[in-house]
Amino acid sequence: GAGVSQSPSNKVTEKGKDVELRCDPISGHTALYWYRQSLGQGLEFLIYFQGNSAPDKSGLPSDRFSAERTGGSVSTLTIQRTQQEDSAVYLCASSLEMSYEQYFGPGTRLTVT
Amino acid sequence: AQSVTQLDSQVPVFEEAPVELRCNYSSSVSVYLFWYVQYPNQGLQLLLKYLSGSTLVESINGFEAEFNKSQTSFHLRKPSVHISDTAEYFCAVSSPSGNTGKLIFGQGTTLQVKP
Repeated sequence: GAGVSQSPSNKVTEKGKDVELRCDPISGHTALYWYRQSLGQGLEFLIYFQGNSAPDKSGLPSDRFSAERTGGSVSTLTIQRTQQEDSAVYLCASSLEMSYEQYFGPGTRLTVT
Repeated sequence: AQSVTQLDSQVPVFEEAPVELRCNYSSSVSVYLFWYVQYPNQGLQLLLKYLSGSTLVESINGFEAEFNKSQTSFHLRKPSVHISDTAEYFCAVSSPSGNTGKLIFGQGTTLQVKP
């Protein structure tokens, strides 16, 4: 079946602009995660969604970052007023509820100029 | 808080030689442990996992890792590497006592297999 998909694959934006990154999880996976991969910080957890429960936002680096998950499926990560330090690859992963086996998408490479 | 340390940022090795990629973790609670692999220009793929049971776990492509609770380690080994094993390898931990399953990753080890 189809894996986790993310769009766009690459995004170049100017400092100060807002961006939206999209994630389509594997059908039937109730858990969805966002991570960030950057040269300086490695792989960092950002946010977690599970069904209708309140999301775990403990990894979001600032209030410029937000995410939502509509209908328990597609998720959008929004970064407002982008800064150069936001440049990174943003990875989405999904899993069956508490299966502890996460499947990752190909990522969105964000470059802030 | 949990943390993962991968002791080597780069490991160069010749083809058909054995390799060990080291991973140590810190946690005050029980853990699940994972190795993920990232081939050039590709996404992360789960290589193997330890959840419970036998402390020695194996992947389908010849890698194995052993959970050592006393040494808080989960080193990855392969007795004979191939050129195609060239990739970045990430060790990760999550906690079964938490309610998210979020992964805490190490900094990664680049395995460079030379002919």
